Amino acid sequence: AQSVTQLGSHVSVSEGALVLLRCNYSSSVPPYLFWYVQYPNQGLQLLLKYTSAATLVKGINGFEAEFKKSETSFHLTKPSAHMSDAAEYFCAVSGQRGNQLTFGKGTKLSVIP
Amino acid sequence: GAGVSQTPSNKVTEKGKYVELRCDPISGHTALYWYRQSLGQGPEFLIYFQGTGAADDSGLPNDRFFAVRPEGSVSTLKIQRTERGDSAVYLCASRPGLAGSGELFFGEGSRLTVL
Repeated sequence: AQSVTQLGSHVSVSEGALVLLRCNYSSSVPPYLFWYVQYPNQGLQLLLKYTSAATLVKGINGFEAEFKKSETSFHLTKPSAHMSDAAEYFCAVSGQRGNQLTFGKGTKLSVIP
Repeated sequence: GAGVSQTPSNKVTEKGKYVELRCDPISGHTALYWYRQSLGQGPEFLIYFQGTGAADDSGLPNDRFFAVRPEGSVSTLKIQRTERGDSAVYLCASRPGLAGSGELFFGEGSRLTVL
């Protein structure tokens, strides 16, 4: 069994400020972890993924996430928010190859000029 | 096209009607998934195909929902006797197979509204 908890359904940051979106997971097997982004009226797009190769994962658009096994966390960060980062972000876990992804409820990021 | 294609993009129907939603995955992708995303929620798994067969249909909410993939490519999600609670965005995703990290490639979804 696997699950994902995203703390904060809505996060607001000022343009240029640090972005931190929190994700904690539960998995009975070593997980694969993902962050997806969804812009309004668009499909889900992969930002980055953790597949056990390196604990600090870099993705597109300047985002990165760190896998911390002891904390069962995979928080998403970006040093400086841009207006174009405004979107909804979903954390997901997959415990087995071929198995479906289990998603969190999402965090809507607003960027204030 | 290069991506996952879903039709229709929007469907409005009346309670009790039958609906079909179509997904055309990325060429060569053997695994296909259906998810449902309700307002304010993350995507919820419905069913997964490996080739033509449903490998896991544990997410289908009840027997009004059914999906097929007869030739191992295009899939159709079928909803009978629609209810207002079925209103959601239905997402389709595909991936090359069982190898790899499990990344799914999503379509833009079919928004279903049941009046």
